[in-house]
Amino acid sequence: KNEVEQSPQNLTAQEGEFITINCSYSVGISALHWLQQHPGGGIVSLFMLSSGKKKHGRLIATINIQEKHSSLHITASHPRDSAVYICAVPHKYGNKLVFGAGTILRVKS
Amino acid sequence: KAGVTQTPRYLIKTRGQQVTLSCSPISGHRSVSWYQQTPGQGLQFLFEYFSETQRNKGNFPGRFSGRQFSNSRSEMNVSTLELGDSALYLCASSLQTGGTDTQYFGPGTRLTVL
Repeated sequence: KNEVEQSPQNLTAQEGEFITINCSYSVGISALHWLQQHPGGGIVSLFMLSSGKKKHGRLIATINIQEKHSSLHITASHPRDSAVYICAVPHKYGNKLVFGAGTILRVKS
Repeated sequence: KAGVTQTPRYLIKTRGQQVTLSCSPISGHRSVSWYQQTPGQGLQFLFEYFSETQRNKGNFPGRFSGRQFSNSRSEMNVSTLELGDSALYLCASSLQTGGTDTQYFGPGTRLTVL
């Protein structure tokens, strides 16, 4: 079993829809990262959180430490949100990041 | 403040050659982490340097090595290139250790091994 599991693998939405991407992890962690990667490769760090909820514009990230689960929500989705969304957690030994496989999001207008 | 820069952006090499990639972190950041991204394996951690010392290492063969200079700039080297080394190589910098600090990624170096 991978340490970090994301779902769904692929997601297609209509513009304006509310989107949820899920991330489950198997080890105790001190922080969880959500990253966004656009076509062409550039990666942007969206959130780093260790508890509760964070919000930035239309993006909301939540984490439940007891359930080892995090969600990334996008409200009022837009075609420019089309990207790969990746969650990552520090490995239990040494803090190196372990990544989920990513969720490919396509928002249609 | 300038972002993370990586050079070169694209590189084509042949099997058996070696390659050196460079990463300049955001000013003031002391941690530089390197990652390899391939379609089959996704993103994988290579190593992290902090204040010129390798702090963490991923599960890659010894052909992959790196170093960090006193100005925090980092280089990674891959010797005896194999076809499977074709990938996007990303570096990221952070103020403190990369696992529990926000990481800022560079644009990546796309390496093609023929």
